[in-house]
Amino acid sequence: GAVVSQHPSRVICKSGTSVKIECRSLDFQATTMFWYRQFPKQSLMLMATSNEGSKATYEQGVEKDKFLINHASLTLSTLTVASAHPEDSSFYICSALDRARDYGYTFGSGTRLTVV
Amino acid sequence: GNSVTQMEGPVTLSEEAFLTINCTYTATGYPSLFWYVQYPGEGLQLLLKATKADDKGSNKGFEATYRKETTSFHLEKGSVQVSDSAVYFCALSLNTGFQKLVFGTGTRLLVSP
Repeated sequence: GAVVSQHPSRVICKSGTSVKIECRSLDFQATTMFWYRQFPKQSLMLMATSNEGSKATYEQGVEKDKFLINHASLTLSTLTVASAHPEDSSFYICSALDRARDYGYTFGSGTRLTVV
Repeated sequence: GNSVTQMEGPVTLSEEAFLTINCTYTATGYPSLFWYVQYPGEGLQLLLKATKADDKGSNKGFEATYRKETTSFHLEKGSVQVSDSAVYFCALSLNTGFQKLVFGTGTRLLVSP
């Protein structure tokens, strides 16, 4: 079946540094990638949507200069948290949609980001 | 707007008990409905889905029926196992635009032996 590989699974970084999270679709084309943020014991909050080769569309209240999304190919999308601060600590999950498959949302396994 | 409302958890059950997790939705148009499961420290896995009214999704003993008249998609299982302990998310997707998923707040299920 479809698999999205998300790396790293955990990362601890110092305040002020940048962190890059990668999501790769292994056996299908991720025409659209969704990036979510999940706070402890809460639901997933959609941060942005990106289509391959286009600029990402950000949800209201999400800082595009802090959460940089690149979707340069059909198999790779990245989320970079720029100048991370402790309040950015969270669980980040990507979800890929292959429009050629019926409702084929495939989620990555998530990245636990801790900013100290 | 489009939204999903789930019952608050945690839901605590003994093994082999009957499970119901309520989910209702509000949507413009005709959404597709999903249940996702999240095990500790992991991403989400699709559990089941239904794309039109009266459809029943089923998987691993879980089932849910798309009820347009009550705008509901309640999750049920006849006999839960300890391994079913997880967080369950109800979600909808509109069939237009980016087709993004709108999630409920999630319901934690705890099954004890």
